Amino acid sequence: KAGVTQTPRYLIKTRGQQVTLSCSPISGHRSVSWYQQTPGQGLQFLFEYFSETQRNKGNFPGRFSGRQFSNSRSEMNVSTLELGDSALYLCASSGGLVQETQYFGPGTRLLVL
Amino acid sequence: GENVEQHPSTLSVQEGDSAVIKCTYSDSASNYFPWYKQELGKRPQLIIDIRSNVGEKKDQRIAVTLNKTAKHFSLHITETQPEDSAVYFCAASWANQAGTALIFGKGTTLSVSS
Repeated sequence: KAGVTQTPRYLIKTRGQQVTLSCSPISGHRSVSWYQQTPGQGLQFLFEYFSETQRNKGNFPGRFSGRQFSNSRSEMNVSTLELGDSALYLCASSGGLVQETQYFGPGTRLLVL
Repeated sequence: GENVEQHPSTLSVQEGDSAVIKCTYSDSASNYFPWYKQELGKRPQLIIDIRSNVGEKKDQRIAVTLNKTAKHFSLHITETQPEDSAVYFCAASWANQAGTALIFGKGTTLSVSS
């Protein structure tokens, strides 16, 4: 099976712009979770989508949003970018049960100038 | 909400030594504890996980122990090799949630010198 893929891999934006990142899960997986990774804060949970519905949400401002399509592909959007949004954004897919392994994508590295 | 503390933040060992990384979690309802290894520039990869009905699990040179009473779990790597050098993250399932959210520790950078 093909692994989790993310596009684009690298992105440079300026403050105030918005950005959309995409994640394609492993075939058959219905759950996609998003995480933000920074040197100072480590891996922080953003939100999870399962069967096109947001099932969980972490402690991030409303500028961070997401959605999931019927084929389980997911997108996350960040509006009004801030310098502090510079990070590696990782998505992970699983079948959707609590104790199932989550498989990570390679990430999208976002730099906000 | 759940909080996961991980120690140490850096660990340097000689090849062949053992390495131990410890994590504590706050929510007693958490029941799934995976460990991920992330090499420089790569994605996190699951190396081992443990569920709350098990106290210990081994996979070759890697073992994880779980103490639910004390709310802590540990990763043990024996006979370390240079290729074990990476950042290791522990995580706990976010309890009382319907989904698969994981709360991660801040990571341990393991350096194995030959």
